[in-house]
Amino acid sequence: EIVLTQSPATLSLSPGERATLSCRASQSVSSYLAWYQQKPGQAPRLLIYDASNRATGIPARFSGSGSGTDFTLTISSLEPEDFAVYYCQQRSNWPPAYTFGQGTKLEIK
Amino acid sequence: EVQLVQSGAEVKKPGESLKISCKGSGYSFTSYWIGWVRQMPGKGLEWMGIIYPGDSDTRYSPSFQGQVTISADKSISTAYLQWSSLKASDTAMYYCVRLGYYPPGDAFDIWGQGTMVTVSS
Repeated sequence: EIVLTQSPATLSLSPGERATLSCRASQSVSSYLAWYQQKPGQAPRLLIYDASNRATGIPARFSGSGSGTDFTLTISSLEPEDFAVYYCQQRSNWPPAYTFGQGTKLEIK
Repeated sequence: EVQLVQSGAEVKKPGESLKISCKGSGYSFTSYWIGWVRQMPGKGLEWMGIIYPGDSDTRYSPSFQGQVTISADKSISTAYLQWSSLKASDTAMYYCVRLGYYPPGDAFDIWGQGTMVTVSS
């Protein structure tokens, strides 16, 4: 079973700053990695798929990079609405399985 | 509009059975896998399993195999998650999700609003 480890657990930044969130896989997941954002009381929403592609309607300040075992979600300049919990997620081909990381909470400093 | 609409919150006692639903609209329901994701209070996301409504092919996470049953009725574009005997530890928010195709991979691109299940004596 592939394990995803996100770091840091909590990131405290101010609006306008750059955020860098990390996701490390216990073995290679190729580029099969997605990122989700969850705000309090809401369902998660898809931000990034296939490691680096923005989902429909996602602002350009969100970007994803990486392949293999190390991935990064970058928010270039934080807006007040970006403070939330972020999850990475991978897909294994066989047996079919989808695993989430434990999440990174991005909070206002 | 593409959406998944889930059934409402449930309060049950340990040992009771339960079936919650997820209705898809705005797209071809039989052409996309539908999954279920658990979020226990204050915790992260856990993938439970997935079903292809076109032929009811179903896959489960090893953590949830035998604990829940996932099904679908394509005639009414609805997927289900059911328990035969609830436990207090089943208390959680449950999300249904659509698995979108983004070659070469895929991702959960549409999420239901969630169904809160509370199990308490």
